[in-house]
Amino acid sequence: QLQLQESGPGLVNTSATLSLTCTVSGGSIGSSSYYWAWIRQPPGKGLEYIGSISNSGSTYDNPSLKSRLIISLHTSKNQFSLKLFGVTAADTAVYYCASLEGSGTYLGGWGQGTMVTVSS
Amino acid sequence: QSALTQPRSVSGSPGQSVTISCTGTSSNVGGYDYVSWYQQLPGKAPKLMIFDVSERPSGVPDRFSGSKSGNTASLTISGLRAEDEADYYCSSYAGTYTYYVFGSGTRVTVL
Repeated sequence: QLQLQESGPGLVNTSATLSLTCTVSGGSIGSSSYYWAWIRQPPGKGLEYIGSISNSGSTYDNPSLKSRLIISLHTSKNQFSLKLFGVTAADTAVYYCASLEGSGTYLGGWGQGTMVTVSS
Repeated sequence: QSALTQPRSVSGSPGQSVTISCTGTSSNVGGYDYVSWYQQLPGKAPKLMIFDVSERPSGVPDRFSGSKSGNTASLTISGLRAEDEADYYCSSYAGTYTYYVFGSGTRVTVL
């Protein structure tokens, strides 16, 4: 049973870089059975797909965030990470990491989520 | 603005059935049999309820069922129970450029 856990700062300054890490246990991040995804949810609002990465390092970014986004694999630590540049208050949200399964088409496992507030 | 449109809320009495619609386009829902549904309880992470339009993960009650016709997918909850009260989100694979989109979410209330 896969378990995912997000970690990172809960407060980020406006225009700075938001950096989060997801630690995976119960499975290998190098497995071809999964892609690894980031999802976010602003307070009181719906879910938004941020992007994902395959075990080979190919990335699939939300076009609206692509210019500010880097998702990376860290196979030696069984982790993957998110960097979002030039954040504003609109980036305030609960950020979830998740496993994309099947043909990389459904989110079978989720972390508990971490709240990130962007403020000056 | 979500790519997939869901009703804001639906409600039903215990034991009744409710159906949530999820309308997209031929670029997402209508183009692929990769619609999934997630249940989100207050303050919790979403949980996968249906994948590949109508498949149920192990442990999800068979009261939950999914279907699709054209650009619209549906989630039906039969024999509604108090613990089904939650927000439900649909999602769909949307091709290699957009990749993945979510619906706007539907609040299910058990009367």
